[in-house]
Amino acid sequence: EDKVVQSPLSLVVHEGDTVTLNCSYEVTNFRSLLWYKQEKKAPTFLFMLTSSGIEKKSGRLSSILDKKELFSILNITATQTGDSAIYLCADSNFGNEKLTFGTGTRLTIIP
Amino acid sequence: NAGVTQTPKFQVLKTGQSMTLQCAQDMNHEYMSWYRQDPGMGLRLIHYSVGAGITDQGEVPNGYNVSRSTTEDFPLRLLSAAPSQTSVYFCASRDGSPDTQYFGPGTRLTVL
Repeated sequence: EDKVVQSPLSLVVHEGDTVTLNCSYEVTNFRSLLWYKQEKKAPTFLFMLTSSGIEKKSGRLSSILDKKELFSILNITATQTGDSAIYLCADSNFGNEKLTFGTGTRLTIIP
Repeated sequence: NAGVTQTPKFQVLKTGQSMTLQCAQDMNHEYMSWYRQDPGMGLRLIHYSVGAGITDQGEVPNGYNVSRSTTEDFPLRLLSAAPSQTSVYFCASRDGSPDTQYFGPGTRLTVL
Protein backbone atom coordinates (compact mmCIF):
# COMPACT_ATOMS: atom_id res chain seq x y z
CA GLU A 1 0.00 0.00 0.00
CA ASP A 2 1.38 3.41 -0.98
CA LYS A 3 2.20 5.78 1.83
CA VAL A 4 2.99 9.50 1.82
CA VAL A 5 4.09 11.33 4.97
CA GLN A 6 4.47 15.10 5.16
CA SER A 7 6.21 17.18 7.77
CA PRO A 8 5.76 19.40 9.59
CA LEU A 9 1.99 19.22 9.96
CA SER A 10 1.86 22.96 10.46
CA LEU A 11 4.29 25.83 10.27
CA VAL A 12 4.01 29.50 11.20
CA VAL A 13 6.65 31.92 9.94
CA HIS A 14 7.03 35.63 9.34
CA GLU A 15 6.79 37.24 5.94
CA GLY A 16 10.14 37.17 4.19
CA ASP A 17 11.31 33.93 5.81
CA THR A 18 12.29 30.87 3.78
CA VAL A 19 10.49 27.59 4.46
CA THR A 20 11.16 23.97 3.56
CA LEU A 21 8.34 21.44 3.49
CA ASN A 22 9.08 17.73 3.50
CA CYS A 23 7.45 14.74 1.86
CA SER A 24 8.53 11.12 2.16
CA TYR A 25 6.90 8.33 0.23
CA GLU A 26 6.70 4.59 -0.15
CA VAL A 27 5.32 3.36 -3.44
CA THR A 28 5.62 0.30 -5.60
CA ASN A 29 6.66 1.06 -9.16
CA PHE A 30 7.11 4.80 -8.67
CA ARG A 31 5.93 7.09 -11.45
CA SER A 32 5.92 10.64 -10.09
CA LEU A 33 5.73 12.88 -7.02
CA LEU A 34 3.37 15.85 -7.13
CA TRP A 35 2.95 19.00 -5.08
CA TYR A 36 -0.31 20.95 -4.76
CA LYS A 37 -1.30 24.19 -3.05
CA GLN A 38 -4.73 24.36 -1.41
CA GLU A 39 -6.11 27.67 -0.30
CA LYS A 40 -9.78 27.94 0.52
CA LYS A 41 -11.08 25.55 -2.08
CA ALA A 42 -9.69 22.92 -4.43
CA PRO A 43 -6.01 21.99 -4.66
CA THR A 44 -4.08 23.54 -7.53
CA PHE A 45 -1.10 21.86 -9.17
CA LEU A 46 2.42 23.15 -8.48
CA PHE A 47 5.01 20.60 -9.60
CA MET A 48 5.45 17.08 -10.85
CA LEU A 49 8.81 15.40 -10.24
CA THR A 50 9.95 12.20 -11.87
CA SER A 51 13.76 12.32 -11.80
CA SER A 52 16.16 12.62 -8.89
CA GLY A 53 18.22 15.75 -8.42
CA ILE A 54 16.49 17.91 -11.01
CA GLU A 55 15.05 21.03 -9.45
CA LYS A 56 11.72 22.32 -10.64
CA LYS A 57 11.27 26.05 -10.12
CA SER A 58 8.42 28.51 -10.40
CA GLY A 59 9.12 31.98 -9.09
CA ARG A 60 9.89 31.74 -5.38
CA LEU A 61 8.87 28.08 -5.21
CA SER A 62 11.15 25.19 -6.01
CA SER A 63 11.10 21.46 -5.47
CA ILE A 64 13.47 18.54 -5.79
CA LEU A 65 13.18 14.77 -5.58
CA ASP A 66 15.51 12.16 -4.10
CA LYS A 67 14.49 8.75 -5.42
CA LYS A 68 17.18 6.93 -3.47
CA GLU A 69 16.05 8.27 -0.09
CA LEU A 70 12.38 8.46 -1.19
CA PHE A 71 11.65 12.06 -0.32
CA SER A 72 10.97 15.44 -1.82
CA ILE A 73 11.19 18.98 -0.49
CA LEU A 74 9.29 22.10 -1.43
CA ASN A 75 11.11 25.37 -0.77
CA ILE A 76 9.49 28.77 -0.66
CA THR A 77 11.79 31.77 -0.42
CA ALA A 78 10.87 35.32 0.62
CA THR A 79 7.46 34.15 1.79
CA GLN A 80 4.41 36.36 1.39
CA THR A 81 1.02 36.26 3.09
CA GLY A 82 -0.42 34.86 -0.13
CA ASP A 83 1.66 31.73 0.40
CA SER A 84 -0.51 30.83 3.39
CA ALA A 85 -2.18 27.56 2.41
CA ILE A 86 -2.14 23.83 2.87
CA TYR A 87 0.57 22.20 0.76
CA LEU A 88 -0.17 18.65 -0.33
CA CYS A 89 2.20 16.05 -1.64
CA ALA A 90 1.06 13.00 -3.61
CA ASP A 91 2.69 10.07 -5.37
CA SER A 92 1.60 8.07 -8.37
CA ASN A 93 2.69 4.69 -9.65
CA PHE A 94 2.67 2.76 -12.87
CA GLY A 95 0.07 0.03 -12.84
CA ASN A 96 -2.92 1.82 -11.38
CA GLU A 97 -4.20 5.33 -11.72
CA LYS A 98 -4.37 6.32 -8.10
CA LEU A 99 -2.72 9.33 -6.55
CA THR A 100 -1.92 8.81 -2.86
CA PHE A 101 -1.90 12.05 -0.86
CA GLY A 102 -0.19 12.98 2.36
CA THR A 103 -2.01 14.79 5.15
CA GLY A 104 -0.60 18.14 4.07
CA THR A 105 1.39 20.91 5.75
CA ARG A 106 -0.57 23.96 6.85
CA LEU A 107 1.65 27.00 6.27
CA THR A 108 0.75 30.33 7.86
CA ILE A 109 2.67 33.48 7.00
CA ILE A 110 2.45 36.31 9.55
CA PRO A 111 2.80 39.83 8.11
CA ASN B 1 -14.62 25.22 -21.05
CA ALA B 2 -15.95 24.86 -17.51
CA GLY B 3 -13.36 22.29 -16.32
CA VAL B 4 -14.65 20.11 -13.48
CA THR B 5 -18.00 21.07 -11.99
CA GLN B 6 -19.62 19.71 -8.86
CA THR B 7 -23.10 20.11 -7.45
CA PRO B 8 -24.28 20.89 -4.89
CA LYS B 9 -21.75 23.14 -3.15
CA PHE B 10 -23.28 22.47 0.28
CA GLN B 11 -25.62 19.78 1.56
CA VAL B 12 -27.04 18.82 4.93
CA LEU B 13 -28.50 15.33 5.33
CA LYS B 14 -30.06 13.38 8.14
CA THR B 15 -28.66 10.00 9.08
CA GLY B 16 -30.04 7.32 6.79
CA GLN B 17 -30.89 9.60 3.88
CA SER B 18 -29.43 8.92 0.46
CA MET B 19 -28.18 11.40 -2.09
CA THR B 20 -26.01 11.78 -5.17
CA LEU B 21 -23.13 14.18 -5.56
CA GLN B 22 -22.77 15.21 -9.17
CA CYS B 23 -19.49 15.64 -11.03
CA ALA B 24 -18.99 16.56 -14.67
CA GLN B 25 -15.99 17.49 -16.80
CA ASP B 26 -15.79 18.87 -20.31
CA MET B 27 -12.13 18.14 -21.05
CA ASN B 28 -12.70 14.63 -22.44
CA HIS B 29 -10.55 13.18 -19.67
CA GLU B 30 -10.54 9.43 -19.26
CA TYR B 31 -9.64 9.33 -15.58
CA MET B 32 -11.97 10.60 -12.88
CA SER B 33 -11.77 10.26 -9.11
CA TRP B 34 -13.65 11.09 -5.95
CA TYR B 35 -11.79 12.12 -2.79
CA ARG B 36 -12.89 13.11 0.65
CA GLN B 37 -10.95 15.55 2.77
CA ASP B 38 -11.15 15.54 6.54
CA PRO B 39 -9.11 17.68 8.96
CA GLY B 40 -5.65 16.18 9.45
CA MET B 41 -6.31 13.36 6.96
CA GLY B 42 -5.33 14.85 3.63
CA LEU B 43 -7.23 13.68 0.55
CA ARG B 44 -8.41 10.08 0.62
CA LEU B 45 -9.51 8.31 -2.54
CA ILE B 46 -13.04 6.90 -2.47
CA HIS B 47 -13.57 5.54 -5.99
CA TYR B 48 -12.01 6.14 -9.35
CA SER B 49 -12.65 5.40 -13.01
CA VAL B 50 -10.27 4.91 -15.91
CA GLY B 51 -12.95 5.29 -18.55
CA ALA B 52 -16.65 4.97 -19.27
CA GLY B 53 -17.99 1.72 -17.87
CA ILE B 54 -14.95 1.07 -15.66
CA THR B 55 -14.79 1.91 -11.96
CA ASP B 56 -12.70 0.70 -9.05
CA GLN B 57 -12.44 1.19 -5.32
CA GLY B 58 -10.02 3.51 -3.65
CA GLU B 59 -8.89 3.71 -0.05
CA VAL B 60 -12.25 4.42 1.63
CA PRO B 61 -15.07 3.04 -0.59
CA ASN B 62 -17.51 1.76 2.05
CA GLY B 63 -20.88 3.51 2.02
CA TYR B 64 -20.40 4.96 -1.46
CA ASN B 65 -21.31 3.81 -4.96
CA VAL B 66 -20.23 5.17 -8.32
CA SER B 67 -20.99 4.59 -11.97
CA ARG B 68 -19.50 5.95 -15.18
CA SER B 69 -21.97 5.69 -18.03
CA THR B 70 -20.41 8.57 -19.99
CA THR B 71 -16.93 10.09 -20.22
CA GLU B 72 -18.25 13.38 -18.85
CA ASP B 73 -20.11 12.34 -15.71
CA PHE B 74 -19.05 10.53 -12.55
CA PRO B 75 -21.72 10.71 -9.82
CA LEU B 76 -21.06 9.59 -6.26
CA ARG B 77 -23.96 8.02 -4.38
CA LEU B 78 -24.30 7.87 -0.63
CA LEU B 79 -26.59 4.95 0.04
CA SER B 80 -27.48 5.61 3.68
CA ALA B 81 -25.72 8.67 5.05
CA ALA B 82 -23.87 8.43 8.36
CA PRO B 83 -22.30 11.20 10.49
CA SER B 84 -18.87 9.71 9.66
CA GLN B 85 -19.47 10.80 6.07
CA THR B 86 -19.45 14.46 7.06
CA SER B 87 -16.61 15.79 4.95
CA VAL B 88 -15.61 17.87 1.96
CA TYR B 89 -15.81 15.89 -1.26
CA PHE B 90 -13.68 16.65 -4.30
CA CYS B 91 -14.08 15.25 -7.76
CA ALA B 92 -11.06 15.28 -10.07
CA SER B 93 -10.33 14.41 -13.66
CA ARG B 94 -7.20 14.03 -15.77
CA ASP B 95 -5.86 12.55 -18.94
CA GLY B 96 -2.97 10.06 -18.99
CA SER B 97 -0.44 12.10 -17.02
CA PRO B 98 -0.83 12.71 -13.26
CA ASP B 99 0.13 16.35 -13.60
CA THR B 100 -2.96 17.09 -15.62
CA GLN B 101 -5.33 16.38 -12.72
CA TYR B 102 -7.90 19.10 -12.16
CA PHE B 103 -10.10 19.29 -9.10
CA GLY B 104 -13.67 20.48 -8.89
CA PRO B 105 -14.62 23.17 -6.35
CA GLY B 106 -15.80 20.66 -3.76
CA THR B 107 -19.04 19.77 -1.96
CA ARG B 108 -19.28 20.33 1.78
CA LEU B 109 -21.53 17.63 3.22
CA THR B 110 -22.85 17.53 6.76
CA VAL B 111 -24.70 14.49 8.07
CA LEU B 112 -26.67 15.05 11.26
